[in-house]
Amino acid sequence: ETGVTQTPRHLVMGMTNKKSLKCEQHLGHNAMYWYKQSAKKPLELMFVYNFKEQTENNSVPSRFSPECPNSSHLFLHLHTLQPEDSALYLCASSQGIDRGNEQFFGPGTRLTVL
Amino acid sequence: GENVEQHPSTLSVQEGDSAVIKCTYSDSASNYFPWYKQELGKGSQLIIDIRSNVGEKKDQRIAVTLNKTAKHFSLHITETQPEDSAVYFCAASSQGGSEKLVFGKGTKLTVNP
Repeated sequence: ETGVTQTPRHLVMGMTNKKSLKCEQHLGHNAMYWYKQSAKKPLELMFVYNFKEQTENNSVPSRFSPECPNSSHLFLHLHTLQPEDSALYLCASSQGIDRGNEQFFGPGTRLTVL
Repeated sequence: GENVEQHPSTLSVQEGDSAVIKCTYSDSASNYFPWYKQELGKGSQLIIDIRSNVGEKKDQRIAVTLNKTAKHFSLHITETQPEDSAVYFCAASSQGGSEKLVFGKGTKLTVNP
């Protein structure tokens, strides 16, 4: 148990659906992250939020829309996804965004786009 | 930008043997190198990390070595146990104001009883 929870754990959606992934951290951290993990590819950073402000958008398509209402919650809104977006989406948090801050990961949401 | 290569992609060892996973990085300015263990359904957890001001760090059966000149770092697990079976990721922090870890592709370690 890392102190970072993600829901749902599994999600199957069609290309026309709209869904949201949720992440919550109980560690009192100020920074939160979304990563995409595809088979046989490195973990890819998608977004970084620090004190609810987005500090990184790693050239992510607009069909992925993050939301960070407070430092404890992070959402990833999904709409009109493509089959190649099927992957494990990991959320992480850290004390801050200074280099060397340990990141704590959630268990991930396994997303399948049909 | 930073690029991290990790080898091997799969590794199978007998219980009690040692396991070594190697990573190389491209950005000489990177100075933080964590290793994560990912178990199914449990998420990824930091198991050890090293900063560029040291060459080796050890924590019980796990050690990490760093060669800044050659730009590579390695994870060493001694006296492996079946519960060490997992996917291991190395990472390096690249330049920039935010924590922008770049990860390797992962190594699936299987420890056979």
